[in-house]
Amino acid sequence: KNEVEQSPQNLTAQEGEFITINCSYSVGISALHWLQQHPGGGIVSLFMLSSGKKKHGRLIATINIQEKHSSLHITASHPRDSAVYICAVRGAQKLVFGQGTRLTINP
Amino acid sequence: DSGVTQTPKHLITATGQRVTLRCSPRSGDLSVYWYQQSLDQGLQFLIQYYNGEERAKGNILERFSAQQFPDLHSELNLSSLELGDSALYFCASSVMVNTEAFFGQGTRLTVV
Repeated sequence: KNEVEQSPQNLTAQEGEFITINCSYSVGISALHWLQQHPGGGIVSLFMLSSGKKKHGRLIATINIQEKHSSLHITASHPRDSAVYICAVRGAQKLVFGQGTRLTINP
Repeated sequence: DSGVTQTPKHLITATGQRVTLRCSPRSGDLSVYWYQQSLDQGLQFLIQYYNGEERAKGNILERFSAQQFPDLHSELNLSSLELGDSALYFCASSVMVNTEAFFGQGTRLTVV
């Protein structure tokens, strides 16, 4: 079993829909990161969380340390949100990555 | 633009060769991380440096080595290249060891 599991692996939705991507982990962590990777390959850091909830524009990230679970939500989704979203957990000095969720938003 | 610069952007080389990938961190960042992203393995942590010293090692092959120089730029050296080394190699930097990291655009290495 991978240390970091994301679901779903692929998600297709219509523009405007509310999107949820889940991340579960099995190791102790000091922080959890959500990353976005566009088709060109570049990676952008969206959030770094160690507790609670963070919001940036239409993106919301939550983490439940007791349940070892985090969610990334996108409100009013748009085709430009189409990308791979990657959850990564910071353990002892290094990041361990989930396999990513490929999100496609159709107009 | 994250402020992290990686060169070259693309590299095509033959099996058995050696290449050097370069990373310039964001101004003020002391920590540099290297990651490999291949189609079948996803993103994998290779190695981390902090202010010139190696801090953590991940799934880095013995054929690979890295260093961080006094001006804080870092180089990843890949030798005796194999077809399976074809991947995107990312560098990231952060101010301290456990703070938010910012990624470069990556170097796409193709071994033929």
